Amino acid sequence: AQSVTQLGSHVSVSEGALVLLRCNYSSSVPPYLFWYVQYPNQGLQLLLKYTTGATLVKGINGFEAEFKKSETSFHLTKPSAHMSDAAEYFCAVSEDDYKLSFGAGTTVTVRA
Amino acid sequence: SAVISQKPSRDICQRGTSLTIQCQVDSQVTMMFWYRQQPGQSLTLIATANQGSEATYESGFVIDKFPISRPNLTFSTLTVSNMSPEDSSIYLCSVLLLSGRASDTQYFGPGTRLTVL
Repeated sequence: AQSVTQLGSHVSVSEGALVLLRCNYSSSVPPYLFWYVQYPNQGLQLLLKYTTGATLVKGINGFEAEFKKSETSFHLTKPSAHMSDAAEYFCAVSEDDYKLSFGAGTTVTVRA
Repeated sequence: SAVISQKPSRDICQRGTSLTIQCQVDSQVTMMFWYRQQPGQSLTLIATANQGSEATYESGFVIDKFPISRPNLTFSTLTVSNMSPEDSSIYLCSVLLLSGRASDTQYFGPGTRLTVL
């Protein structure tokens, strides 16, 4: 069975600073990994995903994540935070059965 | 991608009543799922809605409490039965498109925010 751990339930960054959200997973098979964003009072939107191939994945809105098998990690980064990045971010993993297991989520606030 | 709509977007209900949530997709999809997001928490999978057969429920969720229908490839309903305040959550449907590979993206509806008094 797969599981996801997101380190830090809340991250506060200054506008223009690096955003780093940590995600570690456990999986019995090569996983598929996802980052979703949820803006206030909205549904989930996919930021990026890793399936196979290149371990550095680029997504929308300037986000990217790197799959590190040896560390069982899939951390999300953005070089320069924008006020519009304030949201909740979820890391998720799935195996062969299409079901997504989500981490607890990380709330990002951006300081002007 | 897929455009997913849910009705209602929110509701306030009395305990002991039931609410049916609809999920409509603008294209045929392979799989449909229902998730629950309790206040301040992450998403938990309730069940997989199977077209033409009974839904597949995750541990801790039962058909009597959360009956699900999926009459075709674009529509599903989730009913929250005999509601209690503990059922206050956001309920989201998600879909996988027709290629059906696990690596495919799940697209999520906007959610139904349910408050039970």
